[in-house]
Amino acid sequence: ETGVTQTPRHLVMGMTNKKSLKCEQHLGHNAMYWYKQSAKKPLELMFVYSLEERVENNSVPSRFSPECPNSSHLFLHLHTLQPEDSALYLCASSQDLGHSYEQYFGPGTRLTVT
Amino acid sequence: KNQVEQSPQSLIILEGKNCTLQCNYTVSPFSNLRWYKQDTGRGPVSLTIMTFSENTKSNGRYTATLDADTKQSSLHITASQLSDSASYICVVRDSSGTYKYIFGTGTRLKVLA
Repeated sequence: ETGVTQTPRHLVMGMTNKKSLKCEQHLGHNAMYWYKQSAKKPLELMFVYSLEERVENNSVPSRFSPECPNSSHLFLHLHTLQPEDSALYLCASSQDLGHSYEQYFGPGTRLTVT
Repeated sequence: KNQVEQSPQSLIILEGKNCTLQCNYTVSPFSNLRWYKQDTGRGPVSLTIMTFSENTKSNGRYTATLDADTKQSSLHITASQLSDSASYICVVRDSSGTYKYIFGTGTRLKVLA
């Protein structure tokens, strides 16, 4: 494992539910990311946080709400999702935002919206 | 438009054989190019990273090449093993100051015994 953990690993939710995805990094990194990976599509960057401050929001619908209470934890709060939101949600971290820093990914949460 | 295209989409080879995966990109301005390996049900794991001035980098049986003039990269896998079965993703970072990593859709490799 890469030092980035995600829970739950699998989640099935109805369109009216509210749930949260959790990510924790044990690497002492300052930057954290949320990505969406849909079948046969490239990874899509959703949000970027640096030192608990959101620095990027890639036109993500408001039904996805991120939260970064400290530099080790990142949450993605979900509400009133659509079936097309079913995907693998990946969290990543890096030492900092600079171009040369490596991103370390968690194992992902497989989300199914029914 | 910044894009990363990979070929082939999928590949099946026999254990012990070599293979080469391709990545073409149109990202500009260019910062670096990375190859990731993603096992089924797992997050991507970095194999190599190359900047503009580097044209070859190796990581064990994996060797990546970069031609910044033609904007092409390849990942060569030598003496393949069953554990090489995975998706291989090419990722290009631009240097425009944004946090843009442009991902390819990946090549799905299956190694058969």
